[in-house]
Amino acid sequence: AQTVTQSQPEMSVQEAETVTLSCTYDTSESDYYLFWYKQPPSRQMILVIRQEAYKQQNATENRFSVNFQKAAKSFSLKISDSQLGDAAMYFCAPPPFGNEKLTFGTGTRLTIIP
Amino acid sequence: GAGVSQTPSNKVTEKGKYVELRCDPISGHTALYWYRQSLGQGPEFLIYFQGTGAADDSGLPNDRFFAVRPEGSVSTLKIQRTERGDSAMYLCASSLGAPTGEQDTQYFGPGTRLTVL
Repeated sequence: AQTVTQSQPEMSVQEAETVTLSCTYDTSESDYYLFWYKQPPSRQMILVIRQEAYKQQNATENRFSVNFQKAAKSFSLKISDSQLGDAAMYFCAPPPFGNEKLTFGTGTRLTIIP
Repeated sequence: GAGVSQTPSNKVTEKGKYVELRCDPISGHTALYWYRQSLGQGPEFLIYFQGTGAADDSGLPNDRFFAVRPEGSVSTLKIQRTERGDSAMYLCASSLGAPTGEQDTQYFGPGTRLTVL
């Protein structure tokens, strides 16, 4: 069975500072995608960023970037210039298997301190 | 364009009753997924449709749960003889549905919060 670990149940960061959320996973696949999703309180799951495993370059979306280490099976999310609207649960979703279902981690609750 | 929609947004029912939860995927998305999310947890996979057929129903907890997608678009998750333990947020997601590639990205609806009293 696929496993994913988010070892930080809660994180907090000062507004405008940088924070990194960690995620490790296990897979036997060699080519796959990984995803970070954000779920604000009482709101729907939103895709933050995706990484293609075959690409050497780490994905970046505005203030969000990943540190993908394929050999270590690590996929961390860095949020720069944190904003109040970044407060949410963040879920790592490592590679789907052939049947494409996502397995989510237990999430990291991010609090932004004004 | 319109995103994934789910109705109702909230459903309160009594133990033993039957409920139906509806999901309208993004137009053109052939893949549709149902997940269940308990409070403080990540979503857990229930079932995945590719077109009209259930490609993987391994996440359905028992035979009280059933889902259909008769025309390859809208899907209904059906729960019979509801139990208090079924209380959760039920999330639907859709994707373009190719085996690999950018089409893998799943887009989620707002969810239906089910409460079984």
